[in-house]
Amino acid sequence: SQKIEQNSEALNIQEGKTATLTCNYTNYSPAYLQWYRQDPGRGPVFLLLIRENEKEKRKERLKVTFDTTLKQSLFHITASQPADSATYLCALPASGGSYIPTFGRGTSLIVHP
Amino acid sequence: DGGITQSPKYLFRKEGQNVTLSCEQNLNHDAMYWYRQDPGQGLRLIYYSQIVNDFQKGDIAEGYSVSREKKESFPLTVTSAQKNPTAFYLCASSTLQGVGETQYFGPGTRLLVL
Repeated sequence: SQKIEQNSEALNIQEGKTATLTCNYTNYSPAYLQWYRQDPGRGPVFLLLIRENEKEKRKERLKVTFDTTLKQSLFHITASQPADSATYLCALPASGGSYIPTFGRGTSLIVHP
Repeated sequence: DGGITQSPKYLFRKEGQNVTLSCEQNLNHDAMYWYRQDPGQGLRLIYYSQIVNDFQKGDIAEGYSVSREKKESFPLTVTSAQKNPTAFYLCASSTLQGVGETQYFGPGTRLLVL
């Protein structure tokens, strides 16, 4: 079965710097990968989707890359702000092109003023 | 306002008691899901439904039951057979129009055992 790995340690950065979060996966080739943001005590909110034939996707200060050879996605937040502090989850289809995503454990991002 | 609502926000269960968590959506989505989240863990799928009157078990269905009598509603019952029910429960919905459809989540229900 597929496995999703996100760094369990919190990422601490200074305001204004670029935050980079990593999502690694094993065992199969997903048709897409999604990133969600979750604030404490709340449900996740969708941020970006990138498909297997796309190398990079951007949305405002967010950028996602998808390297199907390395089986890795990188999630970047440029010019980070304290309001960006949250847990970021990556999600992949449970198998191949399944419409049901499987979520990683998430990485906590803390942006210090 | 379109979205997903969950109630209650907090729920307390006594030993041997069944409790039901509510989930309603007005997004006209076909698919609905229930996830469980424990501290430091990812979301784990309990049950999902693609259509009214039909649902499938997810990865951790034991001790839970669901129904889908209306498109808008997907309640989850935590039965007394679930020995470790303390967790944060999230309901979500999505369309089924293509691969990679966005999941829209509710605000969650935190279940605690007395």
